[in-house]
Amino acid sequence: DGGITQSPKYLFRKEGQNVTLSCEQNLNHDAMYWYRQDPGQGLRLIYYSQIVNDFQKGDIAEGYSVSREKKESFPLTVTSAQKNPTAFYLCASTPSPAIGRLNTEAFFGQGTRLTVV
Amino acid sequence: AQKVTQAQTEISVVEKEDVTLDCVYETRDTTYYLFWYKQPPSGELVFLIRRNSFDEQNEISGRYSWNFQKSTSSFNFTITASQVVDSAVYFCALSVEGTALIFGKGTTLSVSS
Repeated sequence: DGGITQSPKYLFRKEGQNVTLSCEQNLNHDAMYWYRQDPGQGLRLIYYSQIVNDFQKGDIAEGYSVSREKKESFPLTVTSAQKNPTAFYLCASTPSPAIGRLNTEAFFGQGTRLTVV
Repeated sequence: AQKVTQAQTEISVVEKEDVTLDCVYETRDTTYYLFWYKQPPSGELVFLIRRNSFDEQNEISGRYSWNFQKSTSSFNFTITASQVVDSAVYFCALSVEGTALIFGKGTTLSVSS
């Protein structure tokens, strides 16, 4: 079955450490996105990538980094520069950056819950 | 800049009640797309509906209905005869050409039996 796989489901990080969240899709989608969800804050865009080897910052990119070396993979690294990384992270993909025009929608993974200990 | 406002943070109803979730959006673009997603306790977002800015027809899907009014920049979602399984966080989202989805803060719906 096609879909988006995020791993791990739960992740614990010590302060000062970098951690990488995995996002893989087998939908052959061009565009991929990372969102952060905090209680009462909705989903906020961290980074997005419209094509391989290209990505753009979202609203809250500070303290995060991404890469898009393969179409199906869009890993997110939470660096030690991110002051408050404890949150729920969601990865999404769309067939193209033109989300609505192609009469489609964003597909989401099941999320990774990151906790700083 | 685009913005989505869901003023209702939490709503609690009893089963079989009707409930309306409000969504107000802001954009200067004439072409845009509106979405509703449901987030059950498992965390994954489930797509419910997409609406184009040039299509103001309301839509009904079973117990769900959506009212899109460009004059008031609103895209409200009504659940008729609510059920416990409807308990979730509901997000309204907006996209303009070539941009990522912009989400509201969500409305947590609790349906009790």
